Amino acid sequence: EDQVTQSPEALRLQEGESSSLNCSYTVSGLRGLFWYRQDPGKGPEFLFTLYSAGEEKEKERLKATLTKKESFLHITAPKPEDSATYLCAVRTPGIKAAGNKLTFGGGTRVLVKP
Amino acid sequence: NAGVTQTPKFQVLKTGQSMTLQCAQDMNHEYMSWYRQDPGMGLRLIHYSVGAGITDQGEVPNGYNVSRSTTEDFPLRLLSAAPSQTSVYFCASSYSTGNNQPQHFGDGTRLSIL
Repeated sequence: EDQVTQSPEALRLQEGESSSLNCSYTVSGLRGLFWYRQDPGKGPEFLFTLYSAGEEKEKERLKATLTKKESFLHITAPKPEDSATYLCAVRTPGIKAAGNKLTFGGGTRVLVKP
Repeated sequence: NAGVTQTPKFQVLKTGQSMTLQCAQDMNHEYMSWYRQDPGMGLRLIHYSVGAGITDQGEVPNGYNVSRSTTEDFPLRLLSAAPSQTSVYFCASSYSTGNNQPQHFGDGTRLSIL
């Protein structure tokens, strides 16, 4: 069974204090790893897709990296507006036509204080 | 720039009542799906569709029905609501089931079953 585990569950940072979020996965045949940001009362918002070990993607203060067993989301010099829950999901082959099936982790709640 | 639209945003039902959660997308996406989000459980796939007239079950389908008569709409039906179905429901869509297609989410329907 595919499993995705995110840590820590919650993270409190001071503005400017860089940190990393972890997403570890156990899947049979990774077809892509996705990072989403979710604000309270909203749906997940797509950030990055990573496909192969060693790949990196960046967007503003966020940088996502991928190894064979885990992914990291690095937040550099965060600002209060970076406060959100960050979700990791993996895409696996799935059965029948479920080619785009995503398995999500439980998320990391990030709070950045000014 | 509507994207994925879900209605209603909030709903309270009594045990045994039925209702339909609506989902519409205006991006001409082939793939649509329904997730539920519960504290500590992450997002879990209920049902999905790879095109009009084609639907299939996800990992937690019991108690829910779907149909897809048009590309734009993918309603989720609760035939006899149970307290265990209290959750936040998200609809998502993507252009295809291909590797590089992220799913776009609506803002959710918050459902309480009394």
